[in-house]
Amino acid sequence: DAKTTQPPSMDCAEGRAANLPCNHSTISGNEYVYWYRQIHSQGPQYIIHGLKNNETNEMASLIITEDRKSSTLILPHATLRDTAVYYCIVGIRGSTLGRLYFGRGTQLTVWP
Amino acid sequence: DGGITQSPKYLFRKEGQNVTLSCEQNLNHDAMYWYRQDPGQGLRLIYYSQIVNDFQKGDIAEGYSVSREKKESFPLTVTSAQKNPTAFYLCASSSPLVRTDTQYFGPGTRLTVL
Repeated sequence: DAKTTQPPSMDCAEGRAANLPCNHSTISGNEYVYWYRQIHSQGPQYIIHGLKNNETNEMASLIITEDRKSSTLILPHATLRDTAVYYCIVGIRGSTLGRLYFGRGTQLTVWP
Repeated sequence: DGGITQSPKYLFRKEGQNVTLSCEQNLNHDAMYWYRQDPGQGLRLIYYSQIVNDFQKGDIAEGYSVSREKKESFPLTVTSAQKNPTAFYLCASSSPLVRTDTQYFGPGTRLTVL
């Protein structure tokens, strides 16, 4: 059940900001936007989540448009270790199901 | 250190054999999940469990079975009925009571059926 659309791949120079877009035009009012990333052959790692306000933590910033139909994950100073597949997911926080639908994500390649 | 462990990291089995993948967590999380990932694809939910002694089928449960006898453990058995068992299997846990309600993943088990 693909609720998000992401570009299949992007690249970014080391030290520059990486801006990863995501469309979620059918998001409902109680659904959050989550971002995870998966480094090759490892388990996915949580990055950040948000409902409608912009969020920032030590890893990244999340910008959600006012209509909530799209968002952008920003890695302010990308490093080679940020090369991974990034997943944008919508889900209901705290639901008894706790199900998250992982699509194919965006392969981000950071080059030196 | 709190976290999720999966063992083994690599597993080889002959076709027609059942195999059980281990998943243990010491995060005191109530919910646990099993996902399957095929090359170049996203994750697909196999089974999930919200509490001990209870579990529900995910999107691709056919050919798999699970048990949840302890809060810390959620083993997955890949049976001979699973037609294409070769894949990367990921276990995760979460706690709806925690503010972030995020899922924490183990390192995965790569199963190859010969």
